[in-house]
Amino acid sequence: EDKVVQSPLSLVVHEGDTVTLNCSYEVTNFRSLLWYKQEKKAPTFLFMLTSSGIEKKSGRLSSILDKKELFSILNITATQTGDSAVYLCAATNSNSGYALNFGKGTSLLVTP
Amino acid sequence: GAGVSQTPSNKVTEKGKYVELRCDPISGHTALYWYRQSLGQGPEFLIYFQGTGAADDSGLPNDRFFAVRPEGSVSTLKIQRTERGDSAVYLCASSLTGGASTDTQYFGPGTRLTVL
Repeated sequence: EDKVVQSPLSLVVHEGDTVTLNCSYEVTNFRSLLWYKQEKKAPTFLFMLTSSGIEKKSGRLSSILDKKELFSILNITATQTGDSAVYLCAATNSNSGYALNFGKGTSLLVTP
Repeated sequence: GAGVSQTPSNKVTEKGKYVELRCDPISGHTALYWYRQSLGQGPEFLIYFQGTGAADDSGLPNDRFFAVRPEGSVSTLKIQRTERGDSAVYLCASSLTGGASTDTQYFGPGTRLTVL
């Protein structure tokens, strides 16, 4: 059975800190790994990663995938209170590339 | 443009009742997905529509759950004889073409269903 595990489950940091969120996966016929940010209810798309070692970057957020060790990290530098949210990691496989298999998420709280 | 919309935003019902949850995808998106998110968990896949047809309903937990998309746009998730365990946030997502995993799924705000 495909599995996605995120750590830590929750994290509290001060504004300005840098955080690293982890996502490991065990997926048969792995195809892609995605990161979403969930504030209140709607997850919003951050990154999709399909190739190892290529960093994707958007402002203060960046992410990279390691297909040999089966994990991905999401980095947030110079955190702001608006970064407080649940960060979800999801994997897809080649059999049903559309069905996102999510981890439980990491709840990040950035304090002033 | 408008994103994915879902109605109602909250629904409270009694055990045994029937409920319908509606999803309006982004205009022009042919693929539509339903997920269910229980407290403290990530969303779980329920069903995927390509156009009007359910291409994959393997995530539906049992035959009390059914979904339709008659005109290839709006979708309705229907739950019969609701149980307390059905309480969750039901999320809908849409994507441009579906199928390929490079197609980004855009989520709606969800419907929080509470079964008393």
